[in-house]
Amino acid sequence: GQQLNQSPQSMFIQEGEDVSMNCTSSSIFNTWLWYKQDPGEGPVLLIALYKAGELTSNGRLTAQFGITRKDSFLNISASIPSDVGIYFCAGLIRSVGATGTASKLTFGTGTRLQVTL
Amino acid sequence: GAGVSQSPSNKVTEKGKDVELRCDPISGHTALYWYRQRLGQGLEFLIYFQGNSAPDKSGLPSDRFSAERTGESVSTLTIQRTQQEDSAVYLCASSLEQAIPRKPYFGAGTRLSVL
Repeated sequence: GQQLNQSPQSMFIQEGEDVSMNCTSSSIFNTWLWYKQDPGEGPVLLIALYKAGELTSNGRLTAQFGITRKDSFLNISASIPSDVGIYFCAGLIRSVGATGTASKLTFGTGTRLQVTL
Repeated sequence: GAGVSQSPSNKVTEKGKDVELRCDPISGHTALYWYRQRLGQGLEFLIYFQGNSAPDKSGLPSDRFSAERTGESVSTLTIQRTQQEDSAVYLCASSLEQAIPRKPYFGAGTRLSVL
């Protein structure tokens, strides 16, 4: 099956620093998504990317859909304490098969971010 | 409701018992996903629904797991004869499949503990 390699696994940074994390895959995706998960909560969608090469920002977050469609990165600028959490990348691909059209959403292994004051 | 709703939020059961987990997707969302997340781990795909049919059941770990969806709305994930390794948070997501962009939104999950 498809595997998403996400790195780094964890990061300890100081408030105000910039953060960068990325995901790579052995397969191509139609869509890349970045989620943040707080303890005891479901993942919350941060950014969605739909075209190879696309660069999208959402406040202090910037993400890019790799040209090869097999990778994506997420940057967080000027980190603050509430950025603490686990960040997941996810790749979405739609396919048409004998049983109909299916969307497969595959998640990376997550990056745990800790921000110190 | 405004978001994806899952119930119960917590479930404690004894080994060997059956459990049912419910997901109410965002109104009008045609696609629905179930995932399992073990403690400290990533999200493991279980099953995907498009409408009431499940074109991808490849992630269901054994025949003790089944899911159905009715009325292109609520979905139920059933685990029969629960085992301790079934303990995890079960997450549901929905999206408007025919729309571009397609954005799956998650519920808060059901935390299942099998004693």
